[in-house]
Amino acid sequence: AQSVTQPDIHITVSEGASLELRCNYSYGATPYLFWYVQSPGQGLQLLLKYFSGDTLVQGIKGFEAEFKRSQSSFNLRKPSVHWSDAAEYFCAVGLSTSGTYKYIFGTGTRLKVLA
Amino acid sequence: KAGVTQTPRYLIKTRGQQVTLSCSPISGHRSVSWYQQTPGQGLQFLFEYFSETQRNKGNFPGRFSGRQFSNSRSEMNVSTLELGDSALYLCASSLSVSSEQYFGPGTRLTVT
Repeated sequence: AQSVTQPDIHITVSEGASLELRCNYSYGATPYLFWYVQSPGQGLQLLLKYFSGDTLVQGIKGFEAEFKRSQSSFNLRKPSVHWSDAAEYFCAVGLSTSGTYKYIFGTGTRLKVLA
Repeated sequence: KAGVTQTPRYLIKTRGQQVTLSCSPISGHRSVSWYQQTPGQGLQFLFEYFSETQRNKGNFPGRFSGRQFSNSRSEMNVSTLELGDSALYLCASSLSVSSEQYFGPGTRLTVT
């Protein structure tokens, strides 16, 4: 069955440190890939997306993600974290299955930033 | 361009009542999806509409229903509310079925 795994439920980093959030998916082909961020009580904001082409994708707020087909991964990175990056991050895939198109979301990684 | 709007933002209902939530997609977007988000279950897909037709449905009981109007605005209805229906209900719109989704701020439903 198709699935999205975010192995880290919580991550704590110091402000200014680098960040990598992991995402793995299970699907027979290459899906469309997304990262979203959610602040408390808010909706999800699209950070970046991968449809095809260059496997290193740049997004908003200084985030980037790299698609690695061999590892079925789409990890999110930021070289220097700011306190305002504290939020929950969701990886998602869009895929075709049984004649329909659907999105599957990971369970999220909550990021805490230490001053 | 205005984002996805959802009304109301907060709602308190009593068990057994019914509720209707509204979603206005980004102008030009024809696909609208609904999700339920709870701390225990995460983001769960409810249904998706495209051009007034339900194209996909998640694994929720028949108490959950929705529709989409000709202007792409969408509503979802929950009848006979249960305590477990307390959640953040998120609406997302996209240009087409397979393009990226843009989310609204959500409606926080509390059932007492």
